[in-house]
Amino acid sequence: SQTIHQWPATLVQPVGSPLSLECTVEGTSNPNLYWYRQAAGRGLQLLFYSVGIGQISSEVPQNLSASRPQDRQFILSSKKLLLSDSGFYLCAWNGWGLGGDTQYFGPGTRLTVL
Amino acid sequence: DQQVKQNSPSLSVQEGRISILNCDYTNSMFDYFLWYKKYPAEGPTFLISISSIKDKNEDGRFTVFLNKSAKHLSLHIVPSQPGDSAVYFCAASTSGTYKYIFGTGTRLKVLA
Repeated sequence: SQTIHQWPATLVQPVGSPLSLECTVEGTSNPNLYWYRQAAGRGLQLLFYSVGIGQISSEVPQNLSASRPQDRQFILSSKKLLLSDSGFYLCAWNGWGLGGDTQYFGPGTRLTVL
Repeated sequence: DQQVKQNSPSLSVQEGRISILNCDYTNSMFDYFLWYKKYPAEGPTFLISISSIKDKNEDGRFTVFLNKSAKHLSLHIVPSQPGDSAVYFCAASTSGTYKYIFGTGTRLKVLA
């Protein structure tokens, strides 16, 4: 069966510090991978998605970046965090559910920027 | 521009009654819709989906209805249970785009 991992689970970082969040998927190959952010009181905002190694599409211009160094690894980074980067970051991959593509989410990373 | 909207931020329902969560969309190119349930500090869990070629899909206590002309979908939960208390997100996608657009969520509280 397929499993998606995210780490760390929680992170507290000062403003201006770098960021690296990692996501890995097991049990599937060549998945489409996604990074979302849920800010306090907001919905799920799509940040990046990738359909293959080295292929990154950015949805929202910001100080974050994403990379896909391996087939089942997706990394979210920042060189300098802002207060507004605080939120709940979710990684997801596409699977085939009943009736069509379905996104499956990881457990998330709670990021607090102070 | 919010292409997927959930206009009710919260909903309270008595245990055993029906919960109806609503979702509206503006992009007529969307042809696949999903509902997710999310508990605090966890990733969303897939509940049910529907393709635009259908107007209804049912899975146990969960039924999703799609009204393409109104660009509206709804999730019915019958009967509602306290464990259903969570935030519910609807999402929409267009075939071949690889992108899913989520609504802002509705917090459902089922009262015992």
